[in-house]
Amino acid sequence: AQTVTQSQPEMSVQEAETVTLSCTYDTSESDYYLFWYKQPPSRQMILVIRQEAYKQQNATENRFSVNFQKAAKSFSLKISDSQLGDAAMYFCAYRPPSGGSQGNLIFGKGTKLSVKP
Amino acid sequence: NAGVTQTPKFQVLKTGQSMTLQCAQDMNHEYMSWYRQDPGMGLRLIHYSVGAGITDQGEVPNGYNVSRSTTEDFPLRLLSAAPSQTSVYFCASSYSVSAGGPWEQFFGPGTRLTVL
Repeated sequence: AQTVTQSQPEMSVQEAETVTLSCTYDTSESDYYLFWYKQPPSRQMILVIRQEAYKQQNATENRFSVNFQKAAKSFSLKISDSQLGDAAMYFCAYRPPSGGSQGNLIFGKGTKLSVKP
Repeated sequence: NAGVTQTPKFQVLKTGQSMTLQCAQDMNHEYMSWYRQDPGMGLRLIHYSVGAGITDQGEVPNGYNVSRSTTEDFPLRLLSAAPSQTSVYFCASSYSVSAGGPWEQFFGPGTRLTVL
């Protein structure tokens, strides 16, 4: 069974600095999808960034980028120029290839990010 | 578009009571799912549906029932509430997963349920 591990329950970063959140996963599939979701205190789940496993290029969305290491099964999230609004829980999620139940997301337990002014 | 809506936002039940959490989406998504979020556990899949009339169990289905009579609605029923079902419940939807692609799951705002 696929699993997702976030080894850092809590992280802290100074405003304007850079922070990296770790995520590893276990799968025997060669094609799959990876996501980072943000959950602020409002509780709303917000997609931050996605990565398709067959793409070698790391995904980037403004200040958010990933370091996708397929062989190592690692998918870390880098937040540059951290802002107070980045404070939230961050969840890494894995989705198997397409078809039927393969749409289901498997989540890590989350990393709580604090941003210090 | 309203996206994914959930009602109620908060609910308190007594042990043994039943209730239905409502979920609706207006994006014509085929795939819908229910997750529960517990402290330190991330989100865990309860039930999911790949289209109207088709449902299946996820990781933690016990004590919950679902049906999908329309594309838009996917209610979650608690048959006899237990304190262990105290949690935050999220409904999510996405485009057809059978068509492939990294389709994003859109989440509702969540329902905080407390069972006394």
